[in-house]
Amino acid sequence: QVHLVESGGGLVKPGGSLRLSCAASGFILSDYYMHWIRQAPGKGLEWVSYISRSGDAFYYADSVKGRFTISRDTAQNSLYLQMNRLRAEDTAVYYCARDRSGYSDDYDIWGQGTMVTVSS
Amino acid sequence: QSALTQPASVSGSPGQSITISCTGTSSDIGLYNYVSWYQQHPDKAPKLLIYEVTNRPSGVPDRFSGSKSGNTASLTISGLQTEDEADYYCTSYARTTPVEFGGGTKLTVL
Repeated sequence: QVHLVESGGGLVKPGGSLRLSCAASGFILSDYYMHWIRQAPGKGLEWVSYISRSGDAFYYADSVKGRFTISRDTAQNSLYLQMNRLRAEDTAVYYCARDRSGYSDDYDIWGQGTMVTVSS
Repeated sequence: QSALTQPASVSGSPGQSITISCTGTSSDIGLYNYVSWYQQHPDKAPKLLIYEVTNRPSGVPDRFSGSKSGNTASLTISGLQTEDEADYYCTSYARTTPVEFGGGTKLTVL
């Protein structure tokens, strides 16, 4: 069974940090481009970041550039999102997702999501 | 404001067909055949329904179909069922940014 399981969400004050994790099972995470996508309460989906198969290419949405860092651990078969200088507008459910092909930006496997709340 | 424009809501009765549009530009939908569609039920993760404009992953019923004309992509659901009531999102690869999402369409099955 192919699964992604996120963890690490929670309540954090503005300006604080959180590290999200996404554990993959049933496939080798480094064989795929992997993405983080978020959804603010009652809102639509917003792409956040991706890491390439090789692990040496990263891309970030303008809204998080300079504050968030995507990474992975091949030994742990896990993906991470380090979130610094958090703002209220970062409040959302964060999903990790597998890029089906690596060239068409569609996501065939999603985690269940982890909620991040930024509030004082 | 989303880069791709979807109607906020659509509705239909069981057994009917509905179509959800997704309008972009000549830099995304009009340029690439990399349009995908997702279904999201409340408090659930999105599920891939259509990729590369017209293709269905295994397990997705053939009641769901995708198409594209110019800068507009469409998702058609035929033979509506009550379990199709959900939010639907389109995405497209774009020249200037890795991926753009539509704002989402709430489907109500009356």
